[in-house]
Amino acid sequence: QVTLKESGPGILQPSHTLSLTCSFSGFSLSTYGMGVSWIRQPSGKGLEWLASIWWNGNTYNNPSLKSRLTVSKDTSNNQAFLKVTSVDTADTATYYCAHTRFHWFAYWGQGTLVTVSS
Amino acid sequence: DIRMTQSPASLSASLGETVNIECLASEDIYSDLAWYQQKPGKSPQLLIYNANSLQNGVPSRFSGSGSGTQYSLKINSLQSEDVATYFCQQYNNYPLTFGSGTKLEIK
Repeated sequence: QVTLKESGPGILQPSHTLSLTCSFSGFSLSTYGMGVSWIRQPSGKGLEWLASIWWNGNTYNNPSLKSRLTVSKDTSNNQAFLKVTSVDTADTATYYCAHTRFHWFAYWGQGTLVTVSS
Repeated sequence: DIRMTQSPASLSASLGETVNIECLASEDIYSDLAWYQQKPGKSPQLLIYNANSLQNGVPSRFSGSGSGTQYSLKINSLQSEDVATYFCQQYNNYPLTFGSGTKLEIK
């Protein structure tokens, strides 16, 4: 059974760095073809793919966020991480991590709400 | 970036009806398309991948079709539990992109 759970700060100030953790079970990020992706959703709005990290360490980021994103993993502890630098109010959203194979998202975490506010 | 244009933005239908939701890609995505259902206050759930493959555990009243740039999600015999927002997603090319969503309500 695949499960994922996001954790984060809840609230942070503009210009700070957002750090999120995805803790998962039921699969390994060292297994061929496996990946974890990050997707966000502002309240009442649509979905935006942010980044993906794959079993081989390859990463892909959404260029709309320029170089603000860093995604990484800790295979031994079944965790993936997302950092977003220089946040502002436009980064306020629910952030999801999702199990990824073949580039679709079969399993999602419950999401963590991040509010950027001074 | 591949733009996904989803229609309609909202839809109201009666129980037992059949509904169709459309997704138009800005270029050929070779059936690299998934559909998700998001119920209020919940995470999205995968319904369809590869344009027409039903995810395990998804009721057979959901089906997907299409090719090239035009795709659709069909829901037969609409049930009350189908009230949700539906999103399409292309994965033919990075960045992965979603449609803007279709909010389905019961009339």
